[in-house]
Amino acid sequence: GQNIDQPTEMTATEGAIVQINCTYQTSGFNGLFWYQQHAGEAPTFLSYNVLDGLEEKGRFSSFLSRSKGYSYLLLKELQMKDSASYLCAVPPGGSYIPTFGRGTSLIVHP
Amino acid sequence: EAEVAQSPRYKITEKSQAVAFWCDPISGHATLYWYRQILGQGPELLVQFQDESVVDDSQLPKDRFSAERLKGVDSTLKIQPAELGDSAMYLCASSLGAGAPHEQYFGPGTRLTVT
Repeated sequence: GQNIDQPTEMTATEGAIVQINCTYQTSGFNGLFWYQQHAGEAPTFLSYNVLDGLEEKGRFSSFLSRSKGYSYLLLKELQMKDSASYLCAVPPGGSYIPTFGRGTSLIVHP
Repeated sequence: EAEVAQSPRYKITEKSQAVAFWCDPISGHATLYWYRQILGQGPELLVQFQDESVVDDSQLPKDRFSAERLKGVDSTLKIQPAELGDSAMYLCASSLGAGAPHEQYFGPGTRLTVT
């Protein structure tokens, strides 16, 4: 089995930077995914990390530390449209199918 | 851009009735997944297909749920009889393969309300 823990809700101001943390416990490690899900819509892929370090993709960056069982998603220059749920997902040991966390609901206000 | 198709988008049914959902994955995607998402939680895997074969259905409540992908392309998820606790979003996703972690492409989902 595995546990995935991320904050339930965060708020931030338009134009600011926000960091969404995810900690996980798994018997094996096959990488970590981040997905974005707007209310009432399907999740969309943001990033996949399998090696330690920071990967940047435009305004979004994702960081992984395998030894600490820790990842974060960094959103820069926040826009109102970034208000969404951000799902951390980790495949359990021996599998390649990600198990999703509960998600972090990010609210961006003016 | 290719998308995963699902229908219906919304379904209201009474408890004890049967309900079915349909999914058409992105062309060429061998792997298809059905997820259930309860409001405020992350998606929970119900069943995974590789082509027409079930790879993992360990979380599928088999007394009332069934899923098939007869020709290895589109898929149907059925609930019979529906219960109040089945009210949720049912998401279908597809990916290229299953031998390594792959980006999953999700359909728009079917929102089921059981009354």
